[in-house]
Amino acid sequence: SQWGEENLQALSIQEGEDVTMNCSYKTYTTVVQWYRQKSGKGPAQLILIRSNEREKRSGRLRATLDTSSQSSSLSITGTLATDTAVYFCATALTSTGSNRLTFGKGTKFSLIP
Amino acid sequence: EAAVTQSPRNKVTVTGGNVTLSCRQTNSHNYMYWYRQDTGHGLRLIHYSYGAGNLQIGDVPDGYKATRTTQEDFFLLLELASPSQTSLYFCASRGDSYEQYFGPGTRLTVL
Repeated sequence: SQWGEENLQALSIQEGEDVTMNCSYKTYTTVVQWYRQKSGKGPAQLILIRSNEREKRSGRLRATLDTSSQSSSLSITGTLATDTAVYFCATALTSTGSNRLTFGKGTKFSLIP
Repeated sequence: EAAVTQSPRNKVTVTGGNVTLSCRQTNSHNYMYWYRQDTGHGLRLIHYSYGAGNLQIGDVPDGYKATRTTQEDFFLLLELASPSQTSLYFCASRGDSYEQYFGPGTRLTVL
């Protein structure tokens, strides 16, 4: 899981396998966003799931949200070499309109050669 | 697609030095953000702005000033740089959706 006092998490699997990354958050949020950061680049949003949704899919990606346990997950099916990156979850407090994001520490995903 | 550029991409300065990091976005987004990224901490918000002349304090503002001169341009100022400010800095912008668009980052080293 990305939050709390955990350090950056790391996951390594074989290409073609499925992977799931978890994230827990501390305060109420209206949305959870998942971002991917490739080496030497800035983060880019992959998928957004709202507090009234339980699941969201986009291509090989699937995000889930459980507001009762304040947790979210991101699954990637049929992993490819291009999926190698650091994945962040981010929560947004939108009451002020600023969409201030609070990022988790991230999960570093790589493939076993 | 939103375009966010940052300059310089790399910067080395000495303790006590004066540094300005620049960010420009060309998609007419109202919101702009400055983050720092450190291993073990993820991305942390320094300052943000919702328009020219506006500045809001983020979560780790100490030692940083920022200024939004136009809708496109947002600057981060370190007036007395310290080694603890060695980091990777990202600028981001946001329009009407929740999505933030990030620049490529500036790596700052304070010796």
